[in-house]
Amino acid sequence: KAGVTQTPRYLIKTRGQQVTLSCSPISGHRSVSWYQQTPGQGLQFLFEYFSETQRNKGNFPGRFSGRQFSNSRSEMNVSTLELGDSALYLCASRPGLALLHYEQYFGPGTRLTVT
Amino acid sequence: AQSVSQHNHHVILSEAASLELGCNYSYGGTVNLFWYVQYPGQHLQLLLKYFSGDPLVKGIKGFEAEFIKSKFSFNLRKPSVQWSDTAEYFCAVNARNYGQNFVFGPGTRLSVLP
Repeated sequence: KAGVTQTPRYLIKTRGQQVTLSCSPISGHRSVSWYQQTPGQGLQFLFEYFSETQRNKGNFPGRFSGRQFSNSRSEMNVSTLELGDSALYLCASRPGLALLHYEQYFGPGTRLTVT
Repeated sequence: AQSVSQHNHHVILSEAASLELGCNYSYGGTVNLFWYVQYPGQHLQLLLKYFSGDPLVKGIKGFEAEFIKSKFSFNLRKPSVQWSDTAEYFCAVNARNYGQNFVFGPGTRLSVLP
């Protein structure tokens, strides 16, 4: 099976702009989670989607939003970018929400730089 | 608030030395526990996981971890490290009573000297 894919891999944006990141989960996986990884804060959970519905949300401002499509692909949007949004954004997928499906599979990430 | 701590920020070992990385979490209920590894330039990969049963779990590449409920700990061990184990290691917890969020520790960078 192909792994989790994320596009684009690298992105440079200017403060105040908005950005959309994309994630394609492993085939058959219906849950997609997003994380922000920074050297100072480590991995922080943004949100999780399952069956096109947001199931959980971390402690991030409303500028961070996401959605999931019927084919389980997910997008994450950040509006009004700030310098502090520079980070590696990771997507992870798993088959479902049941106990047996608690193992997540991570993509390579999108490196976002805000200037 | 949920939190996961890892004792060491950076560990430096020589090849063949034994490794133990500490992980503690702050939940009172049922937890699922994970160790992930991120090799330089690669994806996060699962090393091992604990859901229930035997508190000593074995993972890939000779790693093992022990869940000690009374200490809220899930320490990672390897008897003899190799240069190829150089990576960043993350402990993660999913507390079932707190929804299904995964909370990661800050990570421990392991450098193995040849």
